[in-house]
Amino acid sequence: DSGVTQTPKHLITATGQRVTLRCSPRSGDLSVYWYQQSLDQGLQFLIQYYNGEERAKGNILERFSAQQFPDLHSELNLSSLELGDSALYFCASSPGGVEVLETQYFGPGTRLLVL
Amino acid sequence: AQKVTQAQTEISVVEKEDVTLDCVYETRDTTYYLFWYKQPPSGELVFLIRRNSFDEQNEISGRYSWNFQKSTSSFNFTITASQVVDSAVYFCALSGSILGGTSYGKLTFGQGTILTVHP
Repeated sequence: DSGVTQTPKHLITATGQRVTLRCSPRSGDLSVYWYQQSLDQGLQFLIQYYNGEERAKGNILERFSAQQFPDLHSELNLSSLELGDSALYFCASSPGGVEVLETQYFGPGTRLLVL
Repeated sequence: AQKVTQAQTEISVVEKEDVTLDCVYETRDTTYYLFWYKQPPSGELVFLIRRNSFDEQNEISGRYSWNFQKSTSSFNFTITASQVVDSAVYFCALSGSILGGTSYGKLTFGQGTILTVHP
């Protein structure tokens, strides 16, 4: 158990809908990262937050947005869902990643199925 | 741009065999970190090791060992005396280590190697 929690574990929804994935980092970690794992694209970095502020952006679609709250939990919002958004979404956290790059510890993931 | 290549899509071995998973990377960063993660059938990603580009010493942890060779841009992973519980997908990953650099903090993953260990 990495200490990173993600809810829900599974999500089934329809095209055009909007969903919110939630992540709680390990105790004391200030950085949260989101990744998408799909069969065709593999594991891809989406976005990183550090202590409430966006720090880095990857291949995140405009239909997707994220934020990190004062209590450090993070939410990934996916809207206007398409079939191709079906994937496993991982959240990871690290202590800070300010001066020294720290290891990212991953949550169990949220499996999203868009029908 | 960074790139990680795991040329072996699938490997199948019999228990107690040794197996090596290959990882080759490309980066323009002068300092970087390399990682290996394990994804068992349950789906979570489990951290195995992190290696700084300055440190080319090989590392051994129980049945696991890692061979980092900067000259060939490779970071290979060997499991000695494999066990059925080692069956999983293994990912090699790369990240820049310079704060402010474009690849800092972003893990670039290889496509993964599916390892199946038969009893």
